[in-house]
Amino acid sequence: EAGVAQSPRYKIIEKRQSVAFWCNPISGHATLYWYQQILGQGPKLLIQFQNNGVVDDSQLPKDRFSAERLKGVDSTLKIQPAKLEDSAVYLCASSYDIVYGYTFGSGTRLTVV
Amino acid sequence: GIQVEQSPPDLILQEGANSTLRCNFSDSVNNLQWFHQNPWGQLINLFYIPSGTKQNGRLSATTVATERYSLLYISSSQTTDSGVYFCAFGTGNQFYFGTGTSLTVIP
Repeated sequence: EAGVAQSPRYKIIEKRQSVAFWCNPISGHATLYWYQQILGQGPKLLIQFQNNGVVDDSQLPKDRFSAERLKGVDSTLKIQPAKLEDSAVYLCASSYDIVYGYTFGSGTRLTVV
Repeated sequence: GIQVEQSPPDLILQEGANSTLRCNFSDSVNNLQWFHQNPWGQLINLFYIPSGTKQNGRLSATTVATERYSLLYISSSQTTDSGVYFCAFGTGNQFYFGTGTSLTVIP
């Protein structure tokens, strides 16, 4: 089966600019997650979707971050405006049922200069 | 919130050696996973193990939920085992990651 697809792989932007990341989960996976991984740290959950509904966005900085999952398939994560501390790898994961674990995409490495 | 501590933070092994990685958590969790993040950044699910013991080839894991810890055993380590190992704990379908153990296996 195809894995979790993410794009772009790398992005460099200036602070205060906007950026968007895209994720296509594994077909049939109802649950989709966005994680932020800062260098040297473990991934931090930003938002979880079940189909096209938000289950948990308690750690999403809503003043600048937004995410959507239209039609319960693809998802986009947007940052507007970006800050230097947003430099990180943004990981998308999906799961069919948690007993089978997560499958992660390769991530998008964002550098804010 | 629930705190998780992974030990050791760093580990260097000679190829062929065995190792044990530990994950302690501060409160009861009903889900736990182990992941390997390879040097290229890809996260791979190793085990979903809320309790008991599982084995997959040279890797095995044990979680003792009542005592709030989980162990990951790597036997006959290979250079391809290098990377960071994370335990991720949670409730329901949400998982929160520990700080990881960085493993380097040298030939």
